[in-house]
Amino acid sequence: DQQVKQNSPSLSVQEGRISILNCDYTNSMFDYFLWYKKYPAEGPTFLISISSIKDKNEDGRFTVFLNKSAKHLSLHIVPSQPGDSAVYFCAASERGSQGNLIFGKGTKLSVKP
Amino acid sequence: ETGVTQSPTHLIKTRGQQVTLRCSSQSGHNTVSWYQQALGQGPQFIFQYYREEENGRGNFPPRFSGLQFPNYSSELNVNALELDDSALYLCASSLGARIGGGNTEAFFGQGTRLTVV
Repeated sequence: DQQVKQNSPSLSVQEGRISILNCDYTNSMFDYFLWYKKYPAEGPTFLISISSIKDKNEDGRFTVFLNKSAKHLSLHIVPSQPGDSAVYFCAASERGSQGNLIFGKGTKLSVKP
Repeated sequence: ETGVTQSPTHLIKTRGQQVTLRCSSQSGHNTVSWYQQALGQGPQFIFQYYREEENGRGNFPPRFSGLQFPNYSSELNVNALELDDSALYLCASSLGARIGGGNTEAFFGQGTRLTVV
């Protein structure tokens, strides 16, 4: 049973436009959410995170939105750049756990020049 | 550059053999966790060590075991390898006791690609 779902395996966006990556979760005990970016032959790189007590966190071109009632979060990248082309993973951590991360399957973003 | 390094980068083993994967965490990071990423999947939590003690384990059998050393290095050992163990194995380190909470984001190494034939 997948607790973190990324339903879009891939997304293609034009350079300069907005990229929106979506993530849904089922576990109401999740209290911390993270986005990681992964290039081929490299490990995941931390991008941005959000605590469940917030509904938005912004860092430069990256903004994460959290809708707890819908159990949904999204990552917005504005403006998108070709170097953003990678696989993006949504991950969550459960309150009271040791903090191990539960990952979605990832969304492959392609930003076309 | 995350400061987390893993060795080897690639490895081919035969079914039934044993394998040891190694990870060197960032200096000062007391927590290390290991993940298995099968093709087309997200990373799956194997176990976590904090100050050399295992303090969390995912849904993996006992033939997956680990060690963490005082010098911020760690090992993942897998006995009796099966074909389904073929995957990318990722090590992640974090400053605090709980990866993912507060400001203790996990920093990943580049992974070890294990192929079991």
